[in-house]
Amino acid sequence: AQSVTQLDSQVPVFEEAPVELRCNYSSSVSVYLFWYVQYPNQGLQLLLKYLSGSTLVESINGFEAEFNKSQTSFHLRKPSVHISDTAEYFCAVSAQGAQKLVFGQGTRLTINP
Amino acid sequence: EAGVAQSPRYKIIEKRQSVAFWCNPISGHATLYWYQQILGQGPKLLIQFQNNGVVDDSQLPKDRFSAERLKGVDSTLKIQPAKLEDSAVYLCASSRQGDNQPQHFGDGTRLSIL
Repeated sequence: AQSVTQLDSQVPVFEEAPVELRCNYSSSVSVYLFWYVQYPNQGLQLLLKYLSGSTLVESINGFEAEFNKSQTSFHLRKPSVHISDTAEYFCAVSAQGAQKLVFGQGTRLTINP
Repeated sequence: EAGVAQSPRYKIIEKRQSVAFWCNPISGHATLYWYQQILGQGPKLLIQFQNNGVVDDSQLPKDRFSAERLKGVDSTLKIQPAKLEDSAVYLCASSRQGDNQPQHFGDGTRLSIL
């Protein structure tokens, strides 16, 4: 079975500041890793994913995440945040060969002007 | 392409009543998922369909929850009877068949139990 721990339930930052949202996972088998974003009253949208290959993956809106197998982590970073990044962010894992996603508790990112 | 459609968006019922949610996945997506998202938590998978067959329903409370996908397209999720702890957002997602296919989510149905 897989599990995901998001270490921060809320992260407040100022606009244009850097941010890191932390995610650790546990699994006895090889996994795929995902970050989803959820804006108020909406469903989840895929932000980025790690399947294989380069451990650093990037999204189109400036976020990046690095897969660290030894530390079982997949932290999400952005060098400069914008007000529009205010949302809830979920880290998720699925076992390779299975489609079921296991989500973390979520991190609420709040951007202050 | 059109996204995953869910209805209704909001539902308020009293405990012990019944309720049903509907989901229309993205055209061509063979796999359909229902998730329960309780306030302050991440989504939890309730049931996964592959076409019209159940792949995983291990976390579905089968004494009160049921789901079907009779023709391998639309799906309904039913709760009967509802309990206070069922208050949550119910999310439907769909994906193409196969490993590492991304899941696309609908906007969800927010259920409040009085």
